[in-house]
Amino acid sequence: QVQLQESGPGLVKPSQTLSLTCTVSGGSISSGSYYWSWIRQPAGKGLEWIGRIYTSGSTNYNPSLKSRVTISVDTSKNQFSLKLSSVTAADTAVYYCARIVVVTATQYYFDYWGQGTLVTVSS
Amino acid sequence: SYELTQPPSVSVSPGQTARITCSGDALPKQYAYWYQQKPGQAPVLVIYKDSERPSGIPERFSGSSSGTTVTLTISGVQAEDEADYYCQSADSRAHVVFGGGTKLTVL
Repeated sequence: QVQLQESGPGLVKPSQTLSLTCTVSGGSISSGSYYWSWIRQPAGKGLEWIGRIYTSGSTNYNPSLKSRVTISVDTSKNQFSLKLSSVTAADTAVYYCARIVVVTATQYYFDYWGQGTLVTVSS
Repeated sequence: SYELTQPPSVSVSPGQTARITCSGDALPKQYAYWYQQKPGQAPVLVIYKDSERPSGIPERFSGSSSGTTVTLTISGVQAEDEADYYCQSADSRAHVVFGGGTKLTVL
């Protein structure tokens, strides 16, 4: 059974960079044809996709966040990470990491999710 | 940008059938997926590729597609089905899009 666990600071100051790591257990991050993704959810609001990465390092980002987002992967540690720069209060949210199952080149879905971690942007 | 539209809320009595719709221009060409999210929990996949049900998901959950609208149907709704439901698809550049979510209330 694959498990994902988010970790990182729960409080980030405005204008700084938010950094989170997702540790994958129960299987190798490099096995199969899976992609890995970050999704966030502000309190009381809906889900927003941030971006995805393949173990080759290939990435695809939400256009609305692309200028501030970097997703990377460390296969030796079975982890992938999120960096979001120049954060504001609007970036306060629960951040989830998730595994992607690819259906076609443009179609995929999320089958395993982490429990989520709350990141608050405040001075 | 591509959008998926869901009703904000749906209410049904226990044992009745709940239908939650999701509309989007690309849905005739792209699959839709459905997630259930209970308070304080991560979303759980309940339907994939419009109408397929993952293992472990009760048979009362089903999905269908017609033109630009996909529908999640929950037959014989139970109190435990009360949750937020999100549809998900993607645009032609593989950018994921989520619907705004529908709060299902079991009366």
